[in-house]
Amino acid sequence: SQELEQSPQSLIVQEGKNLTINCTSSKTLYGLYWYKQKYGEGLIFLMMLQKGGEEKSHEKITAKLDEKKQQSSLHITASQPSHAGIYLCGADLNTGTASKLTFGTGTRLQVTL
Amino acid sequence: DAGVTQSPTHLIKTRGQQVTLRCSPKSGHDTVSWYQQALGQGPQFIFQYYEEEERQRGNFPDRFSGHQFPNYSSELNVNALLLGDSALYLCASSFTGSNTEAFFGQGTRLTVV
Repeated sequence: SQELEQSPQSLIVQEGKNLTINCTSSKTLYGLYWYKQKYGEGLIFLMMLQKGGEEKSHEKITAKLDEKKQQSSLHITASQPSHAGIYLCGADLNTGTASKLTFGTGTRLQVTL
Repeated sequence: DAGVTQSPTHLIKTRGQQVTLRCSPKSGHDTVSWYQQALGQGPQFIFQYYEEEERQRGNFPDRFSGHQFPNYSSELNVNALLLGDSALYLCASSFTGSNTEAFFGQGTRLTVV
């Protein structure tokens, strides 16, 4: 089984709608990273969360970390076509130094007009 | 400020051949990690270099080797290529220590035929 599980695996939303992507770890989280990837391209850094209860926002994207549940959520408000892509959560399950990230399989987001 | 740069962007090799991929980290970063991303999967950690030494290694065979130079740039070498080595190879750089962000390059698409 995967150490990091993402849900849903894919998502189709209408432009303007809100959405949430979840990332759950089977191990203790020392750091949780969210990235966005366009097909076949590199990963674009979105946010890093390290403390339980931490919440960060950038433009219309908000990420939260629930340390007790070993879970993080990524919420997009009023989605736009530019939000389309693959969202990946990566976790440092060891030391909290971004030394070795374990990734989920990603959530593919499509935004329809 | 250039981010993480990788070369080449695309590469086609024949089974049994050897390949070298290159990565220049983001300015100020001293640690380079390499990941392999198969189609439809999340990136898998290969290894990490710091102070010109391999610091951590994932579950990859010895055919995968690397090097870090004094200017922090890095190379990934793969010997005796297999069809299954076809993937997107991603380089990530970070600054050693806690609470650090990891930034990724655009990747090198390797196709083994």
